[in-house]
Amino acid sequence: EDQVTQSPEALRLQEGESSSLNCSYTVSGLRGLFWYRQDPGKGPEFLFTLYSAGEEKEKERLKATLTKKESFLHITAPKPEDSATYLCAVFSGTYKYIFGTGTRLKVLA
Amino acid sequence: DTEVTQTPKHLVMGMTNKKSLKCEQHMGHRAMYWYKQKAKKPPELMFVYSYEKLSINESVPSRFSPECPNSSLLNLHLHALQPEDSALYLCASMASVGNEQFFGPGTRLTVL
Repeated sequence: EDQVTQSPEALRLQEGESSSLNCSYTVSGLRGLFWYRQDPGKGPEFLFTLYSAGEEKEKERLKATLTKKESFLHITAPKPEDSATYLCAVFSGTYKYIFGTGTRLKVLA
Repeated sequence: DTEVTQTPKHLVMGMTNKKSLKCEQHMGHRAMYWYKQKAKKPPELMFVYSYEKLSINESVPSRFSPECPNSSLLNLHLHALQPEDSALYLCASMASVGNEQFFGPGTRLTVL
């Protein structure tokens, strides 16, 4: 059965303190691993898609990487505005996405 | 334009009311989704429409009735809801090439 696990559940960082969020997955026939950012009371905002092991994507202070079993979202020198819930999802076809439970990130000034 | 719009933003309804949620996208995406999200939980899949046909129904109670009048529009009709149905209802569309989903801002539903 397809499964996605995210860790940690919650993370508090000081401004400028770099860290990584983990997304572990088991899926038959990965057709995409997606990272989203969600602010409270709003819809998830698309960040990255990764398709194959070894692939990396970057956007400002965020960098996503992918192996055959997990993905990492690295946050370099975070700012308070990076505070949000980060969701990971996998897609194996037939229209169904499997979401992880998310990591709630709080960056303190 | 990567925008998905949803109306209304907020909805308060009684258990005997009938209301509808609306979702629209103009990106030419052929798959559209309804999700339900409770606080501190990930989105929970309800329905998927592909090419205007219902492809997935995740055993959702019949008090939720989806409709896809055309490829750009998705409705969710609500009737006789329960207080536990209070949640953020999200609409999304899926890109045909990259498979990424684009979400709308959501409708915050409160059932009294």
